[in-house]
Amino acid sequence: QVQLVESGGGVVQPGRSLRLSCAASGFMFSTYGMYWVRQAPGKGLEWVAVMSYDGGNEYYADSVKGRFTISRDNSKNTLYLQMNSLRSEDTAVYYCGKKAPGSVNQGIDSWGQGTLVTVSS
Amino acid sequence: DIVMTQTPLSLSVTPGQPASISCKSSQSLLHSDGKTYLYWYLQKPGQSPQLLIYEVSNRFSGVPDRFSGSGSGTDFTLKISRVEAEDVGVYYCMQSKQLPRITFGQGTRLEIK
Repeated sequence: QVQLVESGGGVVQPGRSLRLSCAASGFMFSTYGMYWVRQAPGKGLEWVAVMSYDGGNEYYADSVKGRFTISRDNSKNTLYLQMNSLRSEDTAVYYCGKKAPGSVNQGIDSWGQGTLVTVSS
Repeated sequence: DIVMTQTPLSLSVTPGQPASISCKSSQSLLHSDGKTYLYWYLQKPGQSPQLLIYEVSNRFSGVPDRFSGSGSGTDFTLKISRVEAEDVGVYYCMQSKQLPRITFGQGTRLEIK
């Protein structure tokens, strides 16, 4: 079955960087688009970034554009999120999500367990 | 961005009774390909979200048939025919019509009386 395992979260000072990873298994990773979605403590879900199956297209929420970079290594079945110039408002649990099969407009059908990023001095 | 608005934001239901959650979008979610990209998720306490319903009314694999989705255009509803204790958590609707900016509703917290 589909398994997504995030790692790389932790406590980081404002302005510093962190790289999250999402290890995928149980499906053909190289044929699915992938998302990053975050959830601030006690809050709802916010889309962060999305990347096409081949890495050819990437899009970002305005709140992270220019600071975060999504990437993937299909040979390692792994999705990444490089987070630079971190701010306190980036504090959240970060989830990776697999795009559902079918059209380009499909949403997320599987989620990882999440990794907590805390930005604090 | 398409704004998703859920009501109510919380509800308390007696086991065995039905429950209903509304989700309204600021624009039609009907895509030119004929599909309507409206999803429902449940986030149980301490867990990540899990897919319940895709494209308005299709139950995801393993989802009990007491969950059903309906609606069209901008108005959608998730119904639980008979609430069970394991249904506790926060329910979110989500649109993926306006890629890449998927957007979520605020969430509806379901508790058991």
